[in-house]
Amino acid sequence: KNEVEQSPQNLTAQEGEFITINCSYSVGISALHWLQQHPGGGIVSLFMLSSGKKKHGRLIATINIQEKHSSLHITASHPRDSAVYICAVRDDKIIFGKGTRLHILP
Amino acid sequence: SAVISQKPSRDICQRGTSLTIQCQVDSQVTMMFWYRQQPGQSLTLIATANQGSEATYESGFVIDKFPISRPNLTFSTLTVSNMSPEDSSIYLCSVGGVGEKLFFGSGTQLSVL
Repeated sequence: KNEVEQSPQNLTAQEGEFITINCSYSVGISALHWLQQHPGGGIVSLFMLSSGKKKHGRLIATINIQEKHSSLHITASHPRDSAVYICAVRDDKIIFGKGTRLHILP
Repeated sequence: SAVISQKPSRDICQRGTSLTIQCQVDSQVTMMFWYRQQPGQSLTLIATANQGSEATYESGFVIDKFPISRPNLTFSTLTVSNMSPEDSSIYLCSVGGVGEKLFFGSGTQLSVL
């Protein structure tokens, strides 16, 4: 079993839809990261969480430490949100999920 | 925050040759990390580069294949040596210690023919 599991693997939605990407992990962590990777490979950090909830623009990230689960939400999705979203957890090292490929149709 | 300039952004190489990837950070950082991302897979840590000491390699990666230099606190290189098609991947450098956000270079897409 992978230590970091993301779902869904792929998601296609219409512009304007509310998007939820889930991340479950099996190890103890000090922080969880949500990352965005665009075609070409570059990765941008969206959030770093250790508890609760964070919001930045149309993006919201939540984490439940007891359930070892985090969600990334995108409100009013737009085609420019199309990317791969990666969940990563850190304890003594960083473990990455395989990513969720999101495609927003105009 | 940290801005990382990584180059080249992509390259197509012949089997048996070597490619050196460079990362320049706009601030001094203690540790830099080198990752490989094979198609459809998650990021895998190759090694941690510390200034003034040998890099620390993860299981399955060796210095002869992936030599790393870290001449100062803002710069590092990763060389992919004696390449084979199995080395075709995206290679990324990263910084970010415990309790810090993660910052990545723009990635190097390597194709080996």
